[in-house]
Amino acid sequence: DTGVSQNPRHKITKRGQNVTFRCDPISEHNRLYWYRQTLGQGPEFLTYFQNEAQLEKSRLLSDRFSAERPKGSFSTLEIQRTEQGDSAMYLCASSSSGTGGKWETQYFGPGTRLLVL
Amino acid sequence: LAKTTQPISMDSYEGQEVNITCSHNNIATNDYITWYQQFPSQGPRFIIQGYKTKVTNEVASLFIPADRKSSTLSLPRVSLSDTAVYYCLVALRGFQKLVFGTGTRLLVSP
Repeated sequence: DTGVSQNPRHKITKRGQNVTFRCDPISEHNRLYWYRQTLGQGPEFLTYFQNEAQLEKSRLLSDRFSAERPKGSFSTLEIQRTEQGDSAMYLCASSSSGTGGKWETQYFGPGTRLLVL
Repeated sequence: LAKTTQPISMDSYEGQEVNITCSHNNIATNDYITWYQQFPSQGPRFIIQGYKTKVTNEVASLFIPADRKSSTLSLPRVSLSDTAVYYCLVALRGFQKLVFGTGTRLLVSP
Protein backbone atom coordinates (compact mmCIF):
# COMPACT_ATOMS: atom_id res chain seq x y z
CA ASP A 1 0.00 0.00 0.00
CA THR A 2 1.57 3.28 -1.08
CA GLY A 3 -0.99 5.62 0.49
CA VAL A 4 -0.77 7.71 3.64
CA SER A 5 -0.85 5.63 6.80
CA GLN A 6 -1.62 6.67 10.35
CA ASN A 7 -1.14 4.88 13.66
CA PRO A 8 -2.86 4.13 15.86
CA ARG A 9 -6.28 4.18 14.24
CA HIS A 10 -7.99 4.60 17.59
CA LYS A 11 -6.79 5.88 20.94
CA ILE A 12 -8.65 6.10 24.24
CA THR A 13 -6.94 7.97 27.03
CA LYS A 14 -7.72 9.60 30.33
CA ARG A 15 -7.72 13.33 30.79
CA GLY A 16 -4.27 14.61 31.64
CA GLN A 17 -2.36 11.88 29.82
CA ASN A 18 -0.04 12.49 26.88
CA VAL A 19 -0.68 10.87 23.50
CA THR A 20 1.38 10.63 20.32
CA PHE A 21 0.19 9.87 16.81
CA ARG A 22 2.27 8.90 13.82
CA CYS A 23 1.80 9.64 10.14
CA ASP A 24 3.71 8.06 7.26
CA PRO A 25 3.17 10.05 4.06
CA ILE A 26 3.36 8.92 0.46
CA SER A 27 7.07 8.38 -0.03
CA GLU A 28 7.73 10.92 -2.78
CA HIS A 29 5.74 13.70 -1.10
CA ASN A 30 7.72 16.37 0.71
CA ARG A 31 4.75 18.19 2.26
CA LEU A 32 2.86 16.80 5.21
CA TYR A 33 -0.23 18.28 6.87
CA TRP A 34 -2.15 17.71 10.07
CA TYR A 35 -5.85 18.43 10.47
CA ARG A 36 -8.37 17.95 13.24
CA GLN A 37 -11.96 16.97 12.59
CA THR A 38 -14.69 16.93 15.21
CA LEU A 39 -17.97 15.11 14.77
CA GLY A 40 -20.16 16.66 12.09
CA GLN A 41 -17.58 19.27 11.13
CA GLY A 42 -15.11 19.62 8.30
CA PRO A 43 -11.39 19.12 8.85
CA GLU A 44 -9.56 22.10 10.38
CA PHE A 45 -5.99 22.84 9.42
CA LEU A 46 -3.46 22.50 12.25
CA THR A 47 0.01 22.65 10.74
CA TYR A 48 2.15 21.63 7.79
CA PHE A 49 5.72 20.68 7.01
CA GLN A 50 7.83 21.00 3.94
CA ASN A 51 10.51 18.38 4.35
CA GLU A 52 11.53 18.69 8.01
CA ALA A 53 10.61 22.37 8.39
CA GLN A 54 7.34 23.25 10.09
CA LEU A 55 6.21 26.22 8.01
CA GLU A 56 2.89 27.16 9.54
CA LYS A 57 0.84 26.51 12.62
CA SER A 58 -2.81 27.31 13.17
CA ARG A 59 -4.01 29.16 16.23
CA LEU A 60 -5.85 25.92 16.99
CA LEU A 61 -2.50 24.37 17.83
CA SER A 62 -2.16 25.28 21.49
CA ASP A 63 1.01 24.96 23.53
CA ARG A 64 -0.03 21.44 24.48
CA PHE A 65 0.28 20.33 20.86
CA SER A 66 3.59 19.71 19.15
CA ALA A 67 4.37 18.21 15.77
CA GLU A 68 7.66 17.01 14.40
CA ARG A 69 9.02 15.62 11.18
CA PRO A 70 12.65 15.01 12.09
CA LYS A 71 13.95 13.43 8.90
CA GLY A 72 11.45 14.82 6.46
CA SER A 73 9.65 11.50 6.21
CA PHE A 74 7.19 10.41 8.91
CA SER A 75 5.68 12.88 11.35
CA THR A 76 4.42 12.71 14.92
CA LEU A 77 1.75 14.79 16.61
CA GLU A 78 1.88 14.86 20.39
CA ILE A 79 -0.80 16.19 22.69
CA GLN A 80 0.25 16.79 26.26
CA ARG A 81 -2.12 16.89 29.23
CA THR A 82 -5.08 15.88 27.12
CA GLU A 83 -8.47 17.47 27.70
CA GLN A 84 -11.91 16.19 26.81
CA GLY A 85 -12.12 18.87 24.14
CA ASP A 86 -9.22 17.23 22.33
CA SER A 87 -11.48 14.31 21.40
CA ALA A 88 -11.57 14.31 17.61
CA MET A 89 -10.29 12.61 14.48
CA TYR A 90 -6.74 13.66 13.68
CA LEU A 91 -6.05 13.50 9.96
CA CYS A 92 -2.74 13.52 8.17
CA ALA A 93 -2.27 14.33 4.49
CA SER A 94 0.69 14.62 2.15
CA SER A 95 1.42 16.29 -1.15
CA SER A 96 4.24 17.28 -3.42
CA SER A 97 5.49 20.87 -3.38
CA GLY A 98 3.42 23.44 -5.15
CA THR A 99 4.94 25.88 -7.61
CA GLY A 100 4.20 29.59 -7.52
CA GLY A 101 2.85 29.30 -4.01
CA LYS A 102 0.13 26.86 -4.98
CA TRP A 103 -1.04 24.00 -2.85
CA GLU A 104 -0.80 20.69 -4.66
CA THR A 105 -3.36 17.92 -4.26
CA GLN A 106 -3.36 16.47 -0.77
CA TYR A 107 -3.94 12.78 -0.14
CA PHE A 108 -5.31 11.87 3.25
CA GLY A 109 -4.70 9.00 5.60
CA PRO A 110 -7.48 7.12 7.43
CA GLY A 111 -7.11 9.26 10.56
CA THR A 112 -6.58 8.57 14.25
CA ARG A 113 -9.70 8.84 16.37
CA LEU A 114 -8.92 10.11 19.86
CA LEU A 115 -11.31 9.82 22.78
CA VAL A 116 -10.37 11.55 26.01
CA LEU A 117 -12.31 10.31 29.03
CA LEU B 1 -14.02 36.00 9.11
CA ALA B 2 -14.19 34.70 5.55
CA LYS B 3 -15.95 31.37 5.25
CA THR B 4 -16.25 28.67 2.68
CA THR B 5 -19.89 27.62 2.62
CA GLN B 6 -21.84 24.73 1.16
CA PRO B 7 -25.43 23.49 1.45
CA ILE B 8 -25.76 21.35 4.54
CA SER B 9 -27.45 18.45 2.80
CA MET B 10 -28.86 17.24 -0.51
CA ASP B 11 -31.07 14.32 -1.45
CA SER B 12 -31.06 12.52 -4.77
CA TYR B 13 -32.07 9.27 -6.44
CA GLU B 14 -29.93 6.75 -8.21
CA GLY B 15 -29.12 7.71 -11.78
CA GLN B 16 -29.64 11.44 -11.30
CA GLU B 17 -27.06 14.18 -11.72
CA VAL B 18 -26.11 16.03 -8.54
CA ASN B 19 -24.57 19.49 -8.40
CA ILE B 20 -23.02 20.76 -5.18
CA THR B 21 -21.88 24.36 -4.94
CA CYS B 22 -19.23 25.87 -2.70
CA SER B 23 -18.98 29.62 -2.10
CA HIS B 24 -15.51 31.00 -1.47
CA ASN B 25 -15.58 34.78 -1.81
CA ASN B 26 -12.06 35.29 -0.52
CA ILE B 27 -10.18 32.68 -2.51
CA ALA B 28 -6.46 33.18 -3.10
CA THR B 29 -5.69 34.52 -6.55
CA ASN B 30 -3.52 31.74 -7.84
CA ASP B 31 -4.67 28.63 -6.04
CA TYR B 32 -6.64 25.55 -6.91
CA ILE B 33 -10.08 24.44 -5.77
CA THR B 34 -10.21 20.83 -4.66
CA TRP B 35 -13.15 18.59 -3.82
CA TYR B 36 -13.13 15.60 -1.52
CA GLN B 37 -15.54 12.82 -0.60
CA GLN B 38 -15.64 11.48 2.93
CA PHE B 39 -17.29 8.38 4.33
CA PRO B 40 -17.84 7.90 8.08
CA SER B 41 -14.65 7.15 10.03
CA GLN B 42 -12.46 7.55 6.95
CA GLY B 43 -10.14 10.26 5.69
CA PRO B 44 -11.28 12.51 2.82
CA ARG B 45 -10.81 11.02 -0.62
CA PHE B 46 -9.71 13.22 -3.54
CA ILE B 47 -12.31 13.66 -6.28
CA ILE B 48 -11.24 16.51 -8.55
CA GLN B 49 -9.22 19.73 -8.65
CA GLY B 50 -9.34 22.78 -10.88
CA TYR B 51 -8.33 26.40 -11.25
CA LYS B 52 -10.84 27.88 -13.68
CA THR B 53 -13.54 27.04 -16.24
CA LYS B 54 -14.30 23.33 -16.40
CA VAL B 55 -12.42 20.21 -15.42
CA THR B 56 -13.66 16.68 -15.99
CA ASN B 57 -12.34 13.32 -14.90
CA GLU B 58 -13.76 9.83 -14.84
CA VAL B 59 -15.94 10.44 -11.77
CA ALA B 60 -16.94 14.12 -11.75
CA SER B 61 -16.85 17.54 -13.34
CA LEU B 62 -15.89 20.80 -11.72
CA PHE B 63 -17.25 24.12 -12.92
CA ILE B 64 -15.56 27.35 -11.88
CA PRO B 65 -16.86 30.76 -13.04
CA ALA B 66 -14.50 33.50 -14.14
CA ASP B 67 -14.59 35.32 -10.79
CA ARG B 68 -13.72 32.04 -8.99
CA LYS B 69 -15.87 33.02 -6.02
CA SER B 70 -17.72 29.75 -6.21
CA SER B 71 -17.35 26.30 -7.68
CA THR B 72 -19.76 23.50 -8.51
CA LEU B 73 -19.04 19.80 -8.25
CA SER B 74 -21.14 17.77 -10.65
CA LEU B 75 -21.64 14.05 -10.10
CA PRO B 76 -23.28 12.35 -13.09
CA ARG B 77 -25.66 9.45 -12.53
CA VAL B 78 -25.13 8.98 -8.81
CA SER B 79 -25.40 5.59 -7.18
CA LEU B 80 -26.13 4.49 -3.61
CA SER B 81 -22.39 4.31 -2.94
CA ASP B 82 -22.09 8.06 -3.57
CA THR B 83 -23.88 8.70 -0.26
CA ALA B 84 -21.21 10.60 1.66
CA VAL B 85 -20.15 14.06 2.78
CA TYR B 86 -18.53 16.26 0.13
CA TYR B 87 -16.10 19.05 0.94
CA CYS B 88 -14.45 21.76 -1.08
CA LEU B 89 -10.96 22.86 -0.06
CA VAL B 90 -9.52 26.25 -0.95
CA ALA B 91 -6.73 28.56 0.07
CA LEU B 92 -8.12 31.91 1.18
CA ARG B 93 -6.60 35.24 0.25
CA GLY B 94 -4.81 36.84 3.14
CA PHE B 95 -4.40 33.51 4.87
CA GLN B 96 -1.55 31.13 4.46
CA LYS B 97 -3.67 28.15 5.27
CA LEU B 98 -6.20 25.88 3.70
CA VAL B 99 -9.87 25.93 4.59
CA PHE B 100 -12.39 23.18 4.08
CA GLY B 101 -15.95 24.07 3.25
CA THR B 102 -18.74 23.37 5.70
CA GLY B 103 -19.51 20.09 3.94
CA THR B 104 -22.57 18.77 2.10
CA ARG B 105 -24.15 15.51 3.19
CA LEU B 106 -25.46 13.77 0.08
CA LEU B 107 -28.04 11.02 0.48
CA VAL B 108 -28.76 8.89 -2.57
CA SER B 109 -31.90 6.78 -2.42
CA PRO B 110 -33.02 3.90 -4.63
